[in-house]
Amino acid sequence: SQKIEQNSEALNIQEGKTATLTCNYTNYSPAYLQWYRQDPGRGPVFLLLIRENEKEKRKERLKVTFDTTLKQSLFHITASQPADSATYLCALGGYNFNKFYFGSGTKLNVKP
Amino acid sequence: EAGVTQFPSHSVIEKGQTVTLRCDPISGHDNLYWYRRVMGKEIKFLLHFVKESKQDESGMPNNRFLAERTGGTYSTLKVQPAELEDSGVYFCASSGQSNQPQHFGDGTRLSIL
Repeated sequence: SQKIEQNSEALNIQEGKTATLTCNYTNYSPAYLQWYRQDPGRGPVFLLLIRENEKEKRKERLKVTFDTTLKQSLFHITASQPADSATYLCALGGYNFNKFYFGSGTKLNVKP
Repeated sequence: EAGVTQFPSHSVIEKGQTVTLRCDPISGHDNLYWYRRVMGKEIKFLLHFVKESKQDESGMPNNRFLAERTGGTYSTLKVQPAELEDSGVYFCASSGQSNQPQHFGDGTRLSIL
């Protein structure tokens, strides 16, 4: 069955630096990948979607890359701020777009 | 526009009782999804509605879970009878078209005692 791995350890970075989060997957060929942000007690909030034929997607301070050969997606937050502190989830979807497979998330702490 | 809303936000019931969770998707969204997260695990897919039809219910754990979406608007997820392992956070999400991002509610935290 498919396996999605995100670094379970929290990522601690200094304000102003670039945060890079990793999502690796095996036993699956996703048609697209999404990144979500989740705050405690809240539902996931959609950030970016990237399709298998796209190498990179940007939105303001966010950038996502998708390497189907390495089976990996990288999520970057540039000029990070304490308000960016949250758990970030990656989710993979197939061609039928019916459902996602989620990673367990990486907690990001941005220190002022 | 209003987001996805879920009721109740918390529910505490005893083993063997029945609980019904409700989800109101974003207005006009035909696609509605249920997910759940049990303690320490990742969010897992339960099922997918397109309007009132079940498109995929491969993630439903067993026949104690019943999801409905009469009229293609709001959806309910009933657990009957509830077991201890059903505890977790149940999320609902909706999307306008199936190839668009899914927007999540804040979930219902279900505790079975």
